Amino acid sequence: GQQVMQIPQYQHVQEGEDFTTYCNSSTTLSNIQWYKQRPGGHPVFLIQLVKSGEVKKQKRLTFQFGEAKKNSSLHITATQTTDVGTYFCAGIGNQFYFGTGTSLTVIP
Amino acid sequence: KAGVTQTPRYLIKTRGQQVTLSCSPISGHRSVSWYQQTPGQGLQFLFEYFSETQRNKGNFPGRFSGRQFSNSRSEMNVSTLELGDSALYLCASSLKGDNSPLHFGNGTRLTVT
Repeated sequence: GQQVMQIPQYQHVQEGEDFTTYCNSSTTLSNIQWYKQRPGGHPVFLIQLVKSGEVKKQKRLTFQFGEAKKNSSLHITATQTTDVGTYFCAGIGNQFYFGTGTSLTVIP
Repeated sequence: KAGVTQTPRYLIKTRGQQVTLSCSPISGHRSVSWYQQTPGQGLQFLFEYFSETQRNKGNFPGRFSGRQFSNSRSEMNVSTLELGDSALYLCASSLKGDNSPLHFGNGTRLTVT
């Protein structure tokens, strides 16, 4: 069946460093969404990417969708303590296929 | 607009019992989906309902079932509970259930002893 893998599983960074999480699908995706889950909270929608090669920015966050629509990445520039949480990608097929998530810890 | 409401927030059950979880979607949202979240496993898709019909089902045993009512509220039932069913169960609603972003509730934390 369709699988969405996400790496790394955990990432610890010093505040101010950059952070990137990668998402890879075994099949071509119609689109991909990214969610953030704060500790003790629930996933919250961040963004949706639809077009091949699409790049979208939200302040310090940059999202990319691969040319083949099988991979995606989320890059955070100059992390802050408010960025702490788990970031999930979700590939959209006939259902949502969530990656295993990347847990980000930011050390002040 | 009120968000997705899940009840109860916490539940403790013993093996062999059954449990029913409830989810009220955002007003106007017709799609409700359920996910199981455990450490290291991420979000595992259980099923999705749209207009009272189950549209998709994940790879969970038949002990896991659900339904949706005419007002879009949804319930999930787990029978013959096992220790491995301990998890956070998240409900998410979306406007149409196609590629619409998911709006999650705070979840029900189920502990099976």
